Amino acid sequence: ETGVTQSPTHLIKTRGQQVTLRCSSQSGHNTVSWYQQALGQGPQFIFQYYREEENGRGNFPPRFSGLQFPNYSSELNVNALELDDSALYLCASSSGLAGYTGELFFGEGSRLTVL
Amino acid sequence: AQSVTQLDSQVPVFEEAPVELRCNYSSSVSVYLFWYVQYPNQGLQLLLKYLSGSTLVKGINGFEAEFNKSQTSFHLRKPSVHISDTAEYFCAVSEEAAGNKLTFGGGTRVLVKP
Repeated sequence: ETGVTQSPTHLIKTRGQQVTLRCSSQSGHNTVSWYQQALGQGPQFIFQYYREEENGRGNFPPRFSGLQFPNYSSELNVNALELDDSALYLCASSSGLAGYTGELFFGEGSRLTVL
Repeated sequence: AQSVTQLDSQVPVFEEAPVELRCNYSSSVSVYLFWYVQYPNQGLQLLLKYLSGSTLVKGINGFEAEFNKSQTSFHLRKPSVHISDTAEYFCAVSEEAAGNKLTFGGGTRVLVKP
């Protein structure tokens, strides 16, 4: 069983640039969630995708956007990067929405540094 | 909206001693509760969860937690820690039927000393 994989693991950008982070969900999972974890803080929910549609969004501006593909992999895009966007971005996959499964499976994250 | 408070940001503990990590939450609806562990440079791994039923929940690696609805708490305990338990621990809540969207606390860093 393949776990959640994310790429790239580390990247450095400058203010105003755009970034795309990628996530492959665990085999058999059709739901992908993205979380932002700033240094020394808990993860914060960005948004969730289920069957290629956004299903819920946290308190993040529209310059944070995403996609989910037919194979359930996902991308997180951030435009007009700001210094405060520096964080570990975590992808988590799970199986289904209706009926709670009770567990998210997390990747190891993509660490973004904005200079 | 729900929120989670982890009362201790850091907990130093000696090897083989017990440890308790405190978690309180607030929500206007019924919730599910979780504890996740994050080892250095890794993602989060589920330790245990409370969905319903017995309020005492046992998880992996010898951890357990007790759900107290009246005190809105979900404290995590281990009777005897190992060096390998050094990590950051996160309490999280999700509202029923919320589709696996978690609200996390700020984390508690556990440092196990020999």
